[in-house]
This record gives sequence, structure tokens and C-alpha cells, in this order.
Amino acid sequence: AQKVTQAQTEISVVEKEDVTLDCVYETRDTTYYLFWYKQPPSGELVFLIRRNSFDEQNEISGRYSWNFQKSTSSFNFTITASQVVDSAVYFCALSEGTGRRALTFGSGTRLQVQP
Amino acid sequence: EPEVTQTPSHQVTQMGQEVILRCVPISNHLYFYWYRQILGQKVEFLVSFYNNEISEKSEIFDDQFSVERPDGSNFTLKIRSTKLEDSAMYFCASSKRWGQDFGTEAFFGQGTRLTVV
Repeated sequence: AQKVTQAQTEISVVEKEDVTLDCVYETRDTTYYLFWYKQPPSGELVFLIRRNSFDEQNEISGRYSWNFQKSTSSFNFTITASQVVDSAVYFCALSEGTGRRALTFGSGTRLQVQP
Repeated sequence: EPEVTQTPSHQVTQMGQEVILRCVPISNHLYFYWYRQILGQKVEFLVSFYNNEISEKSEIFDDQFSVERPDGSNFTLKIRSTKLEDSAMYFCASSKRWGQDFGTEAFFGQGTRLTVV
């Protein structure tokens, strides 16, 4: 069965610091998808990134970057030069197979960015 | 930009009452999902729906729950006899049909906060 672990319950940083959110997953499937979602204080879930198991290229989008390493079953998320607006709960999620299956979410990491 | 819409945003109901949570998925999406999030906890899968039938469901989705796509645009979650522990944020999500690009993200609605008293 699939499992996603986000060991960091809460992280607090000062604005402009870099911060990395860890995600470790477990699956027996060779084909799977990994996701990150952001949940701001308003409560909605905002999609950030999708990665399939065959693509280990790291990705950068503005201040966000993702490091996918199959060897360690990790899909870590780094925010560079954090801002107060980055304060939210961040969820890592896994979908086995071709991705149409249900998402299994981690327990989330609450990021507090202090001014 | 297309989005998933959920109504109501907040519903308060008495224990034992039936509730229907409504969702309008993105129009060209064919896979639909319900998830829930008990306050302060992680998001949990309830059910997925494709081609007018349930394709997958979790242990949480017992006989008290049902889903329906009554008119080709709405997607509803019904809880027949609510319990206190059903209090949670319920999220609807939808994703595209699978094509050459296997795997696509699910887009979530803003959620319905259900409070059972």
C-alpha cells in the first residue's frame, strides 16, 4: 500500500530565508505520480507540481524548486527567499498507476514565514 | 481560468440529518473525486467517479455515503444520517480524461465546511 511521510510538522523561518520541505513516499508500483499542494489559511488546496516516476529531472519554477530522487524515495520542495505569503500548509501526495487513482496525502507541513 | 465550484461553503446540520454537498467540476474533466479533511488533519480520499460509476472508494466511504452526477454538470456527495465525526472540510476535485499525457493533476474546489451539531 502507498504511504507518504512528511516528518516536519511545522517549520518557522524568517522572510528571505530558504526552506526545504521533506517528503518521503512508499509504493510498490513502478509507475506513479507525485504532487505538491499548498493550503493557505483560506483553506483551499492549490496545485503546485506533478511529477511522474519516470522523470527524475529537478524542476524550478520561480522561487520554487523540487528535488525528486527515486533512490531515496524522496520528493523534496524548496522555497528560495521565502515570503510571508508562502505561509501555508504544504501537502505532498502520491497517486499510483497512471495517476487517475486516488491521491494519498502526507500529513502536511505548516510553514510560518515571519516578517 | 476554469475552476471547481462547491456549494455551500459552510453547512451546519443536526446529527442524524441528511446533507448533500454539491460540486460543479471543470467542464472538460471526466474524473471526479471527493476528499475530506478533519480539522487539523491530513486530506483523506473518499471516492472517485468515472463514466457514471464509482471507480474507487476508501474505507471511510461506507453505506452512509453516496455520490451522484444527476445532470451532467453537478457532482454530489450525500451523507444519509450525519454523525458528529462527519464534521470536516469536504473537497471536490476533478481531472482530465487520460490521453497521450498520462497523468494529470486533480484540481480542487474551495471546499465545503460541514459542521454536525
